[in-house]
Amino acid sequence: GENVEQHPSTLSVQEGDSAVIKCTYSDSASNYFPWYKQELGKGPQLIIDIRSNVGEKKDQRIAVTLNKTAKHFSLHITETQPEDSAVYFCAASDNGGSQGNLIFGKGTKLSVKP
Amino acid sequence: DSGVTQTPKHLITATGQRVTLRCSPRSGDLSVYWYQQSLDQGLQFLIQYYNGEERAKGNILERFSAQQFPDLHSELNLSSLELGDSALYFCASRSGSSDTQYFGPGTRLTVL
Repeated sequence: GENVEQHPSTLSVQEGDSAVIKCTYSDSASNYFPWYKQELGKGPQLIIDIRSNVGEKKDQRIAVTLNKTAKHFSLHITETQPEDSAVYFCAASDNGGSQGNLIFGKGTKLSVKP
Repeated sequence: DSGVTQTPKHLITATGQRVTLRCSPRSGDLSVYWYQQSLDQGLQFLIQYYNGEERAKGNILERFSAQQFPDLHSELNLSSLELGDSALYFCASRSGSSDTQYFGPGTRLTVL
């Protein structure tokens, strides 16, 4: 089955710097890759996603890139702000065969220092 | 607010007991997914229902079961509870026309 590896497990940046979180997946059938942000005491919230027919997607300060050949995808946050501090999870799904269930990475705890 | 509701928010119980967690999906969403989040295992997929029928199973123990009712709400039943079952349990819902899963706020289960 699918396996998703996520690095780093913790990341500390200064406000205004960029943050990059990387994930690799094992199943070439995976075609949907969402990123979730989880704040303390809350459920995961989707921040951006990408499908396998697209190499890059951007939404304001957040971007995701996908390299299907290498089976890795990355989250880029620019101009970080203290409110970006949270745990970020990447996930992969093949949507069709597995009915859309998500396989998650272990998470990255991002701390943005003012 | 994702539109997915879960009750209760917190549940404290003893080993050997049985509990039921409830999830109401977003209006119109037919798919409900259950996930377990623990410190050592991260977020793990348990089971999925679509319009009342079980569609996929993940790492769900035999002591755990779920169902989805005609009004589309879902319940996750956990029995013969062990200390290791202490975790956050999330449900997520998804519409048929989108890949996006929307997560509820979760139920924190503590088994003493």
